[in-house]
Amino acid sequence: GAVVSQHPSWVICKSGTSVKIECRSLDFQATTMFWYRQFPKQSLMLMATSNEGSKATYEQGVEKDKFLINHASLTLSTLTVTSAHPEDSSFYICSARSTPGEAFFGQGTRLTVV
Amino acid sequence: ILNVEQSPQSLHVQEGDSTNFTCSFPSSNFYALHWYRWETAKSPEALFVMTLNGDEKKKGRISATLNTKEGYSYLYIKGSQPEDSATYLCAFRHGANNLFFGTGTRLTVIP
Repeated sequence: GAVVSQHPSWVICKSGTSVKIECRSLDFQATTMFWYRQFPKQSLMLMATSNEGSKATYEQGVEKDKFLINHASLTLSTLTVTSAHPEDSSFYICSARSTPGEAFFGQGTRLTVV
Repeated sequence: ILNVEQSPQSLHVQEGDSTNFTCSFPSSNFYALHWYRWETAKSPEALFVMTLNGDEKKKGRISATLNTKEGYSYLYIKGSQPEDSATYLCAFRHGANNLFFGTGTRLTVIP
């Protein structure tokens, strides 16, 4: 299957700082990328969908000014958690899809805000 | 938000045993049902995409069935092996993009 690389796999940051997570499709062009978040003992929840070159579409309840998504190329999308707070501590995972096709997941990023 | 439920949350089986778990999803506006296998520290790996009522798919010792009218899918593992230990996720798709995930079933196969 296709490979999606997500980096970093874990990060600890101080409250108030910003953290950037990268999601790269290594061997295919990802026209659409998805960002999910998973809190302990809960399901993966879609945060936003981004198409290359256009603004991301955010799910209800997800603050677009706090979770900045950039999908500037067909192989890279980034999620920046701005002014992170302890309640943003979670597992973040991306998936990437070419059109048409199955979506492939990254390995996820464990964010801890202290 | 659509409710997708998986049961059991976790189970332990002996090597060689066969096992199965359930995914329940809304029976209206069905588009597809996905099964993923997710090992710790790795990416979720797609197992099956099922679209038709009555579908049955197989991949080695793993198979899955689908009932869209009553809103459930079963995943079966025959002759479980330690390497089958993982979390098995199902996800319900009711549109072009949105996947709604269950919380997963964590399987541990004891050698």
